Amino acid sequence: ETGVTQSPTHLIKTRGQQVTLRCSSQSGHNTVSWYQQALGQGPQFIFQYYREEENGRGNFPPRFSGLQFPNYSSELNVNALELDDSALYLCASSPAGLADYEQYFGPGTRLTVT
Amino acid sequence: DQQVKQNSPSLSVQEGRISILNCDYTNSMFDYFLWYKKYPAEGPTFLISISSIKDKNEDGRFTVFLNKSAKHLSLHIVPSQPGDSAVYFCAGTTSGSYGKLTFGQGTILTVHP
Repeated sequence: ETGVTQSPTHLIKTRGQQVTLRCSSQSGHNTVSWYQQALGQGPQFIFQYYREEENGRGNFPPRFSGLQFPNYSSELNVNALELDDSALYLCASSPAGLADYEQYFGPGTRLTVT
Repeated sequence: DQQVKQNSPSLSVQEGRISILNCDYTNSMFDYFLWYKKYPAEGPTFLISISSIKDKNEDGRFTVFLNKSAKHLSLHIVPSQPGDSAVYFCAGTTSGSYGKLTFGQGTILTVHP
């Protein structure tokens, strides 16, 4: 069983640009959540996808969007990047029908916006 | 609005002694709590959880205590080992949310040999 992987590991973008971050969930996990972790803070929930549909959203503007694909991969897209978007972005996947809330996190993508 | 707070940014403990990490929450809708451990350059890994209908859950060296009236939970690690040195996050969630976790800021635990 492979773990959750994310790409790229690090990314540097300029303010105003757009970025796409990718996540590959564990096989059989049809729920994926994305989190933003600013320096010195805990992860903050961005949104969650379940069977390719958005299933809940945290306090993030619409310029944060996502996609989930049938092959257990997903994307986080951020438009019009701002300096405050600099953070570690984590994806986490859960098995289908999970009732006990355990999630499996990837190592994250470190995004720097200059 | 910080719904989950870990007021100690860091904790230093001698190997073999007990480590106690604390967490407070304000959202009374939370009915499940989890602790995650994070090493540098890795994602958080699940450590232990507790349902709001319990006041204690134990797994090997790790025990989580929940005091619902005080909206407080704690993680005890006994005995502490140098490999336990990491950032520890507590998180709360609600039933049926499929794991929409609300995390605290984390506590850096350092266990000295």
